[in-house]
Amino acid sequence: KNEVEQSPQNLTAQEGEFITINCSYSVGISALHWLQQHPGGGIVSLFMLSSGKKKHGRLIATINIQEKHSSLHITASHPRDSAVYICAASSYNTDKLIFGTGTRLQVFP
Amino acid sequence: ETGVTQTPRHLVMGMTNKKSLKCEQHLGHNAMYWYKQSAKKPLELMFVYNFKEQTENNSVPSRFSPECPNSSHLFLHLHTLQPEDSALYLCASSRDTMMEPQHFGDGTRLSIL
Repeated sequence: KNEVEQSPQNLTAQEGEFITINCSYSVGISALHWLQQHPGGGIVSLFMLSSGKKKHGRLIATINIQEKHSSLHITASHPRDSAVYICAASSYNTDKLIFGTGTRLQVFP
Repeated sequence: ETGVTQTPRHLVMGMTNKKSLKCEQHLGHNAMYWYKQSAKKPLELMFVYNFKEQTENNSVPSRFSPECPNSSHLFLHLHTLQPEDSALYLCASSRDTMMEPQHFGDGTRLSIL
C-alpha cells in the first residue's frame, strides 16, 4: 500500500462541472503538495499547504490534518484543466516528497 | 515557463551508450533534485543536492551518476542502462529542501533500446 493514495485514478467530466480529487496519506507530514502534469511531462506546483484551505482562481485545496486527508477542487471545469493531478506529501522526518500515483482528469466540451 | 530547463527533451540510446541529461535553473535556488517517472508508477526521488552537496541517494543503481558543479546546474550521467530504465526523468529545484515548493522542468523522455 502506498503511503500516499489518490482517488479516483481516472476522472472524466463535462465542461462546467465541479470536480473533486482526494488524497489520503499515512505518514507524518510537514506539508502537502498538489501538482499538475500536462501531456508531455512538465509539472507545475499548484499548492503547498499544511493546514486549512488555499484558493487560486478556480482551484481550491483543503487539508484535514487529523484525518490525514486532502482534497483538490476545481470549480467550473474547462477542457484546459485536463491533466494528471498529483498529490505529494513532504515527510515530516525526512522532508522528502512522497508521491501519489496521480489522477488523470479529462474535461470534455 | 517554470525556470527549470532540461535537455534533451527526448533521448534514445542503446544499452552500451554513455549519455548525459542536463538541468539548469536560474531561480536562485539552492536545492536540486532528480526524479524518475515510470509508466503507471508514482514519481520516485533519485537524488537531492543542496548547496552542491549530495544529501540524498535513494538507492539508485551506479549506472546513474549525478553531478552538481554549481547550484544552477545538475547533470545525470548515464552508462550501461537497462530497458527498465526507460522513463521520464524530471529535474526540480527549490529555494531550500525544507518546506519550499519545488519547480519542475519538462523532463527528458528516455528510451533504452
